[in-house]
Amino acid sequence: GIQVEQSPPDLILQEGANSTLRCNFSDSVNNLQWFHQNPWGQLINLFYIPSGTKQNGRLSATTVATERYSLLYISSSQTTDSGVYFCAVRGSQGNLIFGKGTKLSVKP
Amino acid sequence: DTGVSQDPRHKITKRGQNVTFRCDPISEHNRLYWYRQTLGQGPEFLTYFQNEAQLEKSRLLSDRFSAERPKGSFSTLEIQRTEQGDSAMYLCASSFGKGSSSGNTIYFGEGSWLTVV
Repeated sequence: GIQVEQSPPDLILQEGANSTLRCNFSDSVNNLQWFHQNPWGQLINLFYIPSGTKQNGRLSATTVATERYSLLYISSSQTTDSGVYFCAVRGSQGNLIFGKGTKLSVKP
Repeated sequence: DTGVSQDPRHKITKRGQNVTFRCDPISEHNRLYWYRQTLGQGPEFLTYFQNEAQLEKSRLLSDRFSAERPKGSFSTLEIQRTEQGDSAMYLCASSFGKGSSSGNTIYFGEGSWLTVV
């Protein structure tokens, strides 16, 4: 099956810093989503981004499907950005396949 | 617009008991998914419905697990004879998709935490 690898596994930032999270996947995918899981477990959709670039406030994402990777950019990080960021790709069956996530801690 | 809702949010049960979780998807979403997540891991796919038809089941879904979506709206996930290894968060998600297409954005509920003691 499709493998999804995220890096780095852990990231500690000072408030105000920028960061880039990476997601590599092993095969062609139909689409890709980025999620933020808050400390209470809620998975919040950030981007649906099978290809190209999207921006939403301080967050932006780029997927290069032909090279099988996606990047999530967080600018001017805030403590509320802390949590786990997941990349998930969808294979032929329709279900999402998740990476192991990047745990982000933003310090005040 | 209500999101995906799950009930109960937390459940503590004794080993060997049966538990049932309910999921109400976003209205008009024809696809419904169940996932399981343990600490430090990403969610793992369990099963998937399109309308009332269960189209895909993961090997993680042992014989003790059963999921239904009888009217193509809400779904239930039952775990029989629970074991300590079943302790996890059970996530429900929904989306809208046509035919065999991969569909659009998948939206998740807040999850149901299960602790088996």
